[in-house]
Amino acid sequence: GQNIDQPTEMTATEGAIVQINCTYQTSGFNGLFWYQQHAGEAPTFLSYNVLDGLEEKGRFSSFLSRSKGYSYLLLKELQMKDSASYLCAVLDSNYQLIWGAGTKLIIKP
Amino acid sequence: TAGITQAPTSQILAAGRSMTLRCTQDMRHNAMYWYRQDLGLGLRLIHYSNTAGTTGKGEVPDGYSVSRANTDDFPLTLASAVPSQTSVYFCASSVSGELSGANVLTFGAGSRLTVL
Repeated sequence: GQNIDQPTEMTATEGAIVQINCTYQTSGFNGLFWYQQHAGEAPTFLSYNVLDGLEEKGRFSSFLSRSKGYSYLLLKELQMKDSASYLCAVLDSNYQLIWGAGTKLIIKP
Repeated sequence: TAGITQAPTSQILAAGRSMTLRCTQDMRHNAMYWYRQDLGLGLRLIHYSNTAGTTGKGEVPDGYSVSRANTDDFPLTLASAVPSQTSVYFCASSVSGELSGANVLTFGAGSRLTVL
């Protein structure tokens, strides 16, 4: 079967750095997405990786290793507004999007 | 503001009743989707439509139906609601059905449905 694994919950301190991991086992791979979802709101697009390596977007970076079936989202200079769930999703060989359950990130002052 | 509008925001429904969740987008996106989000699970695709006039089944289509009469609207109908359909429902759209970094999903704000 297809599977996306993410930690259920993480806690970090304001101003610090946090890395949220995502491992996947899917039938094929055509890209990996990260979305941010604040409580009670819609998911919003953060990043997309299809080739190995690091993609940087301001305070957020996303890394992909296709050979390891692994990605991480790196958040720097954490702010209270970064408290949210972070969803990892993989496009499989049929271009179907498989979603992880999400990682709830709690930021403490 | 351009985007996706869902209605109602929340609803409590008696089991056995029917319900239509409305979804309208003004981005002229060709593809539209309905997902449900349950605690501890990833988003699960219910139905999708790659273009007006066509629809397809997702991962969990049973108990739900959709129609796509035009580009903008994609209603989701529960013909006879059951408690297991209690969930948060998200409508989403994309330029086309071929997702990529340049063609990502845009989500509506969600509809919280409770079936008693």
